[in-house]
Amino acid sequence: QKEVEQNSGPLSVPEGAIASLNCTYSDRGSQSFFWYRQYSGKSPELIMSIYSNGDKEDGRFTAQLNKASQYVSLLIRDSQPSDSATYLCAVAGTALIFGKGTTLSVSS
Amino acid sequence: GAVVSQHPSRVICKSGTSVKIECRSLDFQATTMFWYRQFPKKSLMLMATSNEGSKATYEQGVEKDKFLINHASLTLSTLTVTSAHPEDSSFYICSASDRGSFFFFGQGTRLTVV
Repeated sequence: QKEVEQNSGPLSVPEGAIASLNCTYSDRGSQSFFWYRQYSGKSPELIMSIYSNGDKEDGRFTAQLNKASQYVSLLIRDSQPSDSATYLCAVAGTALIFGKGTTLSVSS
Repeated sequence: GAVVSQHPSRVICKSGTSVKIECRSLDFQATTMFWYRQFPKKSLMLMATSNEGSKATYEQGVEKDKFLINHASLTLSTLTVTSAHPEDSSFYICSASDRGSFFFFGQGTRLTVV
């Protein structure tokens, strides 16, 4: 059974701080990794995808992948109250398998 | 980005009736579609994977006779919840994939069975 693990949180950070979200996965053969943001009652929206070891930056977001450690992370710089949401880590095989999500709360 | 349209967004039905949810890929051919279910404050749980023209593959613990999935074309998949009961009340989300490179999600359907 392929598993994706995340700390459910809540993770609370002040506005302007860096939020760090972490994820581990069980299938060593996984190649594609995604971070989604989900607001309550809404469908997930894609933030970033990452396929290679190292860092990938997109605006305030940086995804980090370490396949040897089976670890994926998402950094959010200059966190804003609008970033408050649940962040889902997903690993692609024949389907996307999601972690339980980490709830982020950014206080102003 | 690609658009996946899911309909209806909300539905309330009586216990014992059936409900059909549609998922359409509007601007690409979805070789594979996925159906997820999400309970409050829980993550998305994969229910089944469907490929166009073939029977859906259901995840362990998902009743295939209760959750009927049809993927008759490359742009449309439907999920029918048969003989719905209150415990079937949930948020159902479809996803469409273009050969596994990207996964696009529908808006979700909030099902309430009363």
